[in-house]
Amino acid sequence: AQSVAQPEDQVNVAEGNPLTVKCTYSVSGNPYLFWYVQYPNRGLQFLLKYITGDNLVKGSYGFEAEFNKSQTSFHLKKPSALVSDSALYFCAVRDAAAGFQKLVFGTGTRLLVSP
Amino acid sequence: DTGVSQNPRHKITKRGQNVTFRCDPISEHNRLYWYRQTLGQGPEFLTYFQNEAQLEKSRLLSDRFSAERPKGSFSTLEIQRTEQGDSAMYLCASSLGGSDNEKLFFGSGTQLSVL
Repeated sequence: AQSVAQPEDQVNVAEGNPLTVKCTYSVSGNPYLFWYVQYPNRGLQFLLKYITGDNLVKGSYGFEAEFNKSQTSFHLKKPSALVSDSALYFCAVRDAAAGFQKLVFGTGTRLLVSP
Repeated sequence: DTGVSQNPRHKITKRGQNVTFRCDPISEHNRLYWYRQTLGQGPEFLTYFQNEAQLEKSRLLSDRFSAERPKGSFSTLEIQRTEQGDSAMYLCASSLGGSDNEKLFFGSGTQLSVL
C-alpha cells in the first residue's frame, strides 16, 4: 500500500528566504508524485507533478520539487518565499504499477511566510 | 473553464438523516473523484468514475455511502443514516484522460456537520 509522510506540521520562513517543505513516500511500484496547495476557503490547487524523466520538476508560482529515488523523497522548494505563499501544502502519491487512480495524501504542512 | 462546482457549500443535519451532495465537474473532464477531508488530515480517497462507470471504491465507503454519475456528467454522493463520524469536508475533483489525467481540479467542497 502506498503512503506519504510530511514530517513537519508547520514551516516558518522569512520573506525572500528559500523554503523547503519535506515529503517522503512509500509505494511498491513506480511512484507518481504530486504537490497540491490549499488556501483558506478555496479548493486544493495543483502545483506540480513527477511522472518520469528529469528528477527536478518545475511547477506553478515558482515552486519546484526534486525526486530522489534512493531517499524516497519529493521535497518542495522555492528559492525566494513570498508572504502570499502562506498556505497548507499537501504531498500525494499514486502507485503507477497498481493500476488504481486513487491518490494518497500526506497530512499537510502549513507554510507561514513572515514579512 | 468554470471550475468544479459543489453544492451545497455547507450542510448541517441530524444524526440518522440522509444527505446528498452534488458535484459538477469541468465539462470536458471524463474522470471524477470524491475525497473526504477531516480537520488536520489530508484528503482521503472515496471513489472514482470514468465517464458513468464507477471503477474504484475505497473500503472507507461503507454501505451507507453511494455515489452515482448518470450520463457521465454531474455526480451525486449520498450518505444514508448519517453518523457523527461522517462530519467532514467532502471534496470532488475532475480530470482529463490521457497525458493530463494526473492533474486533478478540485472543487471547494461541501462541509458536512452531523449533530
